[in-house]
Amino acid sequence: DQQVKQNSPSLSVQEGRISILNCDYTNSMFDYFLWYKKYPAEGPTFLISISSIKDKNEDGRFTVFLNKSAKHLSLHIVPSQPGDSAVYFCAAREGSGSARQLTFGSGTQLTVLP
Amino acid sequence: ETGVTQTPRHLVMGMTNKKSLKCEQHLGHNAMYWYKQSAKKPLELMFVYNFKEQTENNSVPSRFSPECPNSSHLFLHLHTLQPEDSALYLCASSQLGTGDQPQHFGDGTRLSIL
Repeated sequence: DQQVKQNSPSLSVQEGRISILNCDYTNSMFDYFLWYKKYPAEGPTFLISISSIKDKNEDGRFTVFLNKSAKHLSLHIVPSQPGDSAVYFCAAREGSGSARQLTFGSGTQLTVLP
Repeated sequence: ETGVTQTPRHLVMGMTNKKSLKCEQHLGHNAMYWYKQSAKKPLELMFVYNFKEQTENNSVPSRFSPECPNSSHLFLHLHTLQPEDSALYLCASSQLGTGDQPQHFGDGTRLSIL
């Protein structure tokens, strides 16, 4: 059973508009959450993260929101640009464990239309 | 990002061959990871090395054999693989012990088993 779920395999957004990517998790022990972006033929690139002690983290056009009671994470990109078209993975880390394993969602393909 | 380098980028091998995947990180990190990404599935953690010591082996078949000679290099030795082992193999590194730090990924090796 997947502990981190991205229920939308794809999302299309017009350039300049907001993109909202969603992620749900089931493990209440997760304490650190990350978003990665992946272009074809490249590895995932770290985008933004948030600790469970916060509910919002912002970095330029990217904002991550965490709702612990709902076990829900979202990434907002505004304004969206064509270069943002990629697969976005959310990931979560459990506090215990010697090397802090990450559990990944299956990804959402974002397409930003010019 | 050139912080984590994987070679080769593509590998085609028969089921009886022996080959090795190589990963090198230039970020000064102390932990390294092997992940497998099959089509339409989330990244699956295979192995974790923390200060050159293997700390996790997520029920990976013995036909995959990792080696970590130092904290900058990681190998994945392959022997007698099966067609279902065809996937993208990703290496990552991170710095442990300094709070919340993301894992940084290489561009992966696309492996095809004939």
